[in-house]
This record gives sequence, structure tokens and C-alpha cells, in this order.
Amino acid sequence: QKEVEQDPGPLSVPEGAIVSLNCTYSNSAFQYFMWYRQYSRKGPELLMYTYSSGNKEDGRFTAQVDKSSKYISLFIRDSQPSDSATYLCAMSTGNQFYFGTGTSLTVIP
Amino acid sequence: EAGVAQSPRYKIIEKRQSVAFWCNPISGHATLYWYQQILGQGPKLLIQFQNNGVVDDSQLPKDRFSAERLKGVDSTLKIQPAKLEDSAVYLCASSLYSGDTDTQYFGPGTRLTVL
Repeated sequence: QKEVEQDPGPLSVPEGAIVSLNCTYSNSAFQYFMWYRQYSRKGPELLMYTYSSGNKEDGRFTAQVDKSSKYISLFIRDSQPSDSATYLCAMSTGNQFYFGTGTSLTVIP
Repeated sequence: EAGVAQSPRYKIIEKRQSVAFWCNPISGHATLYWYQQILGQGPKLLIQFQNNGVVDDSQLPKDRFSAERLKGVDSTLKIQPAKLEDSAVYLCASSLYSGDTDTQYFGPGTRLTVL
């Protein structure tokens, strides 16, 4: 079983839609949870970071962590074509760092 | 603030040849990471340096991969000899300190194709 599971998609939505991206994990030692965005032929860039259960909001982005279910989500409101990218979840125990496989998202104008 | 620089951006070699990648982290960043990202997969950490010392190289295939970070600044990652399965994007990242509360900044990557 992989440490981090993420549906690779691809996911295609119309502009303005709400997007939900999800990851599950098996290691209860994960303490830190992150979402990265990766545009084609670019390195990943950090979008959201959290270390506790609950929601964290930043503009159109909301990160949600449910440690009891070992499940994290990223919500994008009012999606824009510029949001088209691959979204990677990442988790860490404090000693070991793992990325998900990434979900490819296309927002259609 | 200048970002993480990597070169070359693309490299094509034949199997059994050797190849080296270079990374220049953001100025002042103590921690440097090398990741391997195979097409359709998330980045996998190969090695982490804190200044010029190795923090974690548990997933580095040491029979063919080597990395160094001289003077705690630039770093090189070498593959010798290369195999077909080494075809991937090699990402370098840096962070100010070590630890997971610290943001990692990624370079654009080096895309390696092994024929």
C-alpha cells in the first residue's frame, strides 16, 4: 500500500465550478499536510500548508484535513483557466516526506 | 529574490552513459533537496542536505547515483551508469531551514531521457 493515495484524474471542469481534490493516507504519523501546484514543465509551488485537522482558507483555496479518517482535501472556488495544472498533495511525519501522484486539472473557459 | 536554478534543462543520453545535473539554491537557504519525478508520479525524495551534510539519502540508489554539496551552496547529482528507468525529471528544491514547517522552493527541473 502506498503511503499517500491520490486520484490522478484527469479532471475537467467549466470555468467558475467548485473543484474538489482529495488524498488519503495510511500512516497515522503524518503531522504536516501540504498542497502543491505544478504547471507543465515547471517545478511544484506550495499552495497551502496545515498541520491540524480542520479547514484553512486562502482566497479561493480551502484545505481540509480529517486526521481521524486520514483524508485531506483541497477545494478551489470559482475556478479559473489559470488554475489548470497538476495538484500534488504532500505529507510529512517530521522525518519523512511523501508526495501523492498528482491530479491533473483542466478548467475550460 | 532569484529562484532555484538548475541546468541543463534537458538531457538525452544512452544507457550506461553518465550524466550530471547542477543546482544553485536560493541564496541563504541551508537545506537542499533532490527529487526524482517519473512521468505520471509525484516527486520522490532522493537526498536532502543540511548545509553540506547529508540528512536523508535513504531512497538514493547509491550503486549508481551520487550527490554532493560543496561549501553548502551549489549541488550536483550524478548518475553513472544510467539505466532506461532513470528517465525522469530531476527536481532540486531549497528551504531556509530544515523541517516540515519550512517552505520548499522548487527549480524548473532537468528532464532526462535515457535511450
